[in-house]
Amino acid sequence: DAGVIQSPRHEVTEMGQEVTLRCKLISGHNSLFWYRQTMMRGLELLIYFNNNVPIDDSGMPEDRFSAKMPNASFSTLKIQPSEPRDSAVYFCASSFSPEGDTQYFGPGTRLTVL
Amino acid sequence: AQKVTQAQTEISVVEKEDVTLDCVYETRDTTYYLFWYKQPPSGELVFLIRRNSFDEQNEISGRYSWNFQKSTSSFNFTITASQVVDSAVYFCALSEAVQGGSEKLVFGKGTKLTVNP
Repeated sequence: DAGVIQSPRHEVTEMGQEVTLRCKLISGHNSLFWYRQTMMRGLELLIYFNNNVPIDDSGMPEDRFSAKMPNASFSTLKIQPSEPRDSAVYFCASSFSPEGDTQYFGPGTRLTVL
Repeated sequence: AQKVTQAQTEISVVEKEDVTLDCVYETRDTTYYLFWYKQPPSGELVFLIRRNSFDEQNEISGRYSWNFQKSTSSFNFTITASQVVDSAVYFCALSEAVQGGSEKLVFGKGTKLTVNP
C-alpha cells in the first residue's frame, strides 16, 4: 500500500510568494496532521483534521498559514505571503481514529524561503 | 500539559556496542500512548513502536527493545549490537487526547545517535 504522499519534496521560493504544500492520506485513514520541523523548535503540530473537519489549529503560527481538506484523502497547507522564517521541513501524517492509532508520516517537504 | 524529555541530545558509539536512549514523559491522562520514531539522514520519520499505558510488558523486536515503566514515567529504547545503519535521530512521543476522537502527538527534542564503524 502507498504511504502518505507529499509534494513537492523541495520548494525554494522568494519572500512574499505564495507556497502550497500538498498531502495525500493513506487510503482508509481519516485523521490528518500537519507538522513543522526546525532546528530551534523541533517537531511541532500546526493543525489537525478529523473526518475533513479542522479540530485543532492552535499551532498555526499566524494568519499567513491556512490549511484545507477539500476531500477525505487530500490536504493542502498554504503560506501567503511566505517569509524566510517559514523555512523548515513540513510533514503531514495520517492515522485512523479511534484513539491511539499510529500516525504515519509522509517524506516531508523542505521549504526554503529566500 | 503533556511533556516528553529526551535528555540525551547526542550519543556516539562504536559498532556492536549496546546503546540505550532515554525518554521520560509527563501526563495527567490515565490512558495514553507512547511512540518511538526514527529519522535517518534521509529525513523521513519512520514509526518504530506504539505502547499503551496499560501494557507495561517490555517488547523486543530483533535488535530493538523497549522498557516501559509507569512508576518512573519512562519509556527507554535499547539497541543491541548497534550497526552503522542505526545512525539517526530518534524521537519519543506521547499522545494527548484531543477533541474529535483522535490524538495529538507531543514529541521530545530527539536524540541523535551516531554509530561509528
